[in-house]
Amino acid sequence: DAGVIQSPRHEVTEMGQEVTLRCKPISGHDYLFWYRQTMMRGLELLIYFNNNVPIDDSGMPEDRFSAKMPNASFSTLKIQPSEPRDSAVYFCASNPGTSGRGRNEQYFGPGTRLTVT
Amino acid sequence: EDQVTQSPEALRLQEGESSSLNCSYTVSGLRGLFWYRQDPGKGPEFLFTLYSAGEEKEKERLKATLTKKESFLHITAPKPEDSATYLCAVRHGSSNTGKLIFGQGTTLQVKP
Repeated sequence: DAGVIQSPRHEVTEMGQEVTLRCKPISGHDYLFWYRQTMMRGLELLIYFNNNVPIDDSGMPEDRFSAKMPNASFSTLKIQPSEPRDSAVYFCASNPGTSGRGRNEQYFGPGTRLTVT
Repeated sequence: EDQVTQSPEALRLQEGESSSLNCSYTVSGLRGLFWYRQDPGKGPEFLFTLYSAGEEKEKERLKATLTKKESFLHITAPKPEDSATYLCAVRHGSSNTGKLIFGQGTTLQVKP
């Protein structure tokens, strides 16, 4: 298995621009998680989906952030408009859920390093 | 409030010098404690899951233990390739696949 795939790996954009981060979870995993990692705040959960349905988005910082999961193999995290304080590494993770071994273990992608100038 | 605190923040060891990393947690109804390893520029890599006090898990030079208030990651005779940030997380919420709350991590450097 290729693991969780994220794109792009690096994104540099100017304040006010729209940013879209993409994630392909591990095939067969029922849960998908979006995290943000910064030096100051560590690893924070933004939102997670179960079977493509958003379950908990209480970690989404504000209305500028939105996430979708149109099918079991693809999710996006969008920031519009972006601000310098959004600069961080964004990780996507997936979890088998009720099926498969290790159903409670989350597997992380390589992350997208976002820089907003 | 659910909380995870890791100590120390940073640890420097000589190759072969055994030590332990600590993860203290406050959570109502623990539904799993997880250890991850994170190398620079990469995503966290799953190491262990512990569910109940007294449980232990081992992998190569690493051994994780769990009590009712904390978990330890013991590193025996570490090698330079063990250098990484080690993250601890607890499962939060009533769902079996709910939120993970992560600690700030311990950055381990092993010198040859």
